[in-house]
Amino acid sequence: DSGVTQTPKHLITATGQRVTLRCSPRSGDLSVYWYQQSLDQGLQFLIQYYNGEERAKGNILERFSAQQFPDLHSELNLSSLELGDSALYFCASSVGQVTGELFFGEGSRLTVL
Amino acid sequence: QQQVKQSPQSLIVQKGGISIINCAYENTAFDYFPWYQQFPGKGPALLIAIRPDVSEKKEGRFTISFNKSAKQFSLHIMDSQPGDSATYFCAARASRDSGYALNFGKGTSLLVTP
Repeated sequence: DSGVTQTPKHLITATGQRVTLRCSPRSGDLSVYWYQQSLDQGLQFLIQYYNGEERAKGNILERFSAQQFPDLHSELNLSSLELGDSALYFCASSVGQVTGELFFGEGSRLTVL
Repeated sequence: QQQVKQSPQSLIVQKGGISIINCAYENTAFDYFPWYQQFPGKGPALLIAIRPDVSEKKEGRFTISFNKSAKQFSLHIMDSQPGDSATYFCAARASRDSGYALNFGKGTSLLVTP
């Protein structure tokens, strides 16, 4: 158990809808990262937050947004969903701002029909 | 674009054999190279990591070989066991300007047969 909690584990929705994925980092970790995992693209970095502030941005679509709250949990919002957004979304956390060891949750599997 | 290129995509090795997974990168500003192991239904977990000032790092049956001039690094799993069957990802840490994010390869699915 990595100590990172992600909810929901599975989510099925329709195109055009909006969903929110939630992540609670390990106790004491200030950085939260979101990654998208698909079969053809592997693990794609989306965004990093450190202590409530956006720290780095990767290949995150404009339809996606995220935030980290004062209690350090994070949410990833996916809107105007398309079939291609179906993937496994991972949250990871680390102690500091500079990425060392990442601790991953078990992921949220999103299926868009 | 994929900043870290990983091969092979899949690998089948007999028990007791050596598994070798290769990665290559272009960005010379990368400063930290970890390998992650992922079992089905689980998130990736750090296996072993190396910094570019070291050419080799060994932890048990797992060894990273690093070639800075060639911008390549590889994972060797000695005496491979069925329990090593998993997906392996190499990664490289970006520079300060890119927020130090980890860039992952596409993964290698390893199957160790009994």
